[in-house]
Amino acid sequence: NAGVTQTPKFQVLKTGQSMTLQCAQDMNHNSMYWYRQDPGMGLRLIYYSASEGTTDKGEVPNGYNVSRLNKREFSLRLESAAPSQTSVYFCASSVLWDGYTFGSGTRLTVV
Amino acid sequence: GNSVTQMEGPVTLSEEAFLTINCTYTATGYPSLFWYVQYPGEGLQLLLKATKADDKGSNKGFEATYRKETTSFHLEKGSVQVSDSAVYFCALGALNYGGSQGNLIFGKGTKLSVKP
Repeated sequence: NAGVTQTPKFQVLKTGQSMTLQCAQDMNHNSMYWYRQDPGMGLRLIYYSASEGTTDKGEVPNGYNVSRLNKREFSLRLESAAPSQTSVYFCASSVLWDGYTFGSGTRLTVV
Repeated sequence: GNSVTQMEGPVTLSEEAFLTINCTYTATGYPSLFWYVQYPGEGLQLLLKATKADDKGSNKGFEATYRKETTSFHLEKGSVQVSDSAVYFCALGALNYGGSQGNLIFGKGTKLSVKP
């Protein structure tokens, strides 16, 4: 089925470890996004990529880096994980506002 | 700046009860408005949308009307089912200066639990 695929689905990291969250879409969408979801905070935009080759900071970019590898793939990297980065991470892609398609999320725990 | 405020949850209803989830917004210009739904363990899905004042979006028995005079986009359903239990997000999309499409701005979400 067409959509947004995120890996891994679950991850536990120790403080200071690094990891990369992977995201791929097969809908030929130009725009891709990384959000984090925390209780009582809703969704907060970390980084986005309006098109291949461009990336921009969102609301909460500190502690993260991104790479738009090609049109399909947009990865999120935590260089030195902190407990404050414990969250559920969602990748999304879109053509237009009503075309936002979300992945099923990555549950990350930093201990 | 642009923002979305939706009612605090959680909301607990009995099956067949009437549902209202309030959403108000602040935006310059004429934004598009959306409701997204997140079922347990899943990502968000578009539920309905409205792109101009007085438009009514509807889907799966849910409705919301874009009210410019009250800057609101309240979600309603006449008779909820247990399967409607989910988190509901109001969202706003506005154009950037220069006319390009900006990112969606989401409310904090309202958790709905429907009991049999």
